Amino acid sequence: KNQVEQSPQSLIILEGKNCTLQCNYTVSPFSNLRWYKQDTGRGPVSLTIMTFSENTKSNGRYTATLDADTKQSSLHITASQLSDSASYICVVSATGGSYIPTFGRGTSLIVHP
Amino acid sequence: KAGVTQTPRYLIKTRGQQVTLSCSPISGHRSVSWYQQTPGQGLQFLFEYFSETQRNKGNFPGRFSGRQFSNSRSEMNVSTLELGDSALYLCASTRGAALQETQYFGPGTRLLVL
Repeated sequence: KNQVEQSPQSLIILEGKNCTLQCNYTVSPFSNLRWYKQDTGRGPVSLTIMTFSENTKSNGRYTATLDADTKQSSLHITASQLSDSASYICVVSATGGSYIPTFGRGTSLIVHP
Repeated sequence: KAGVTQTPRYLIKTRGQQVTLSCSPISGHRSVSWYQQTPGQGLQFLFEYFSETQRNKGNFPGRFSGRQFSNSRSEMNVSTLELGDSALYLCASTRGAALQETQYFGPGTRLLVL
């Protein structure tokens, strides 16, 4: 069964600090992995999308890494800001022509001043 | 450029009723996908429509259905509502196939079933 596990479930950090969120998956065959940021009461916003051949992708202060061999991804946030407080969701899609994404439960990040 | 819009934003229904939700994608986008988000299950994929055809479907009962019009606007219908259908329903649009491209989400419709 395809699964996506995210850790930690929640995280509290001080403004200006860095943090790393983890995503492990068992989706096969792998097509791509996405990271989304979802503010409370809003729809998710795409941060990065990576295919099998990509190891790293950045979007401003957000850097995602992918290790397709170990089926792990991480999202690194640099110099956190109060506006980074949100839920971060990892989504993995299988290949084969069909779009059937598998979602992680998300990591809730709180950035304190 | 206008983003994805969803109507209504909030809805209250009772068990057994049916409901129709609407999603207008970004201009020029041909794919619309629908998702259900609940505290218990998180985000789950419902279905994807591309050029008026359902391309992919998640693991939901037949009470959940949808359609897409020639202008790419999409509607989702849930019949015989159950308490467990209370959720935030999100739609997302992409220019091409949802599998490969960046998805742009709407703000969602929050449905409460009493």
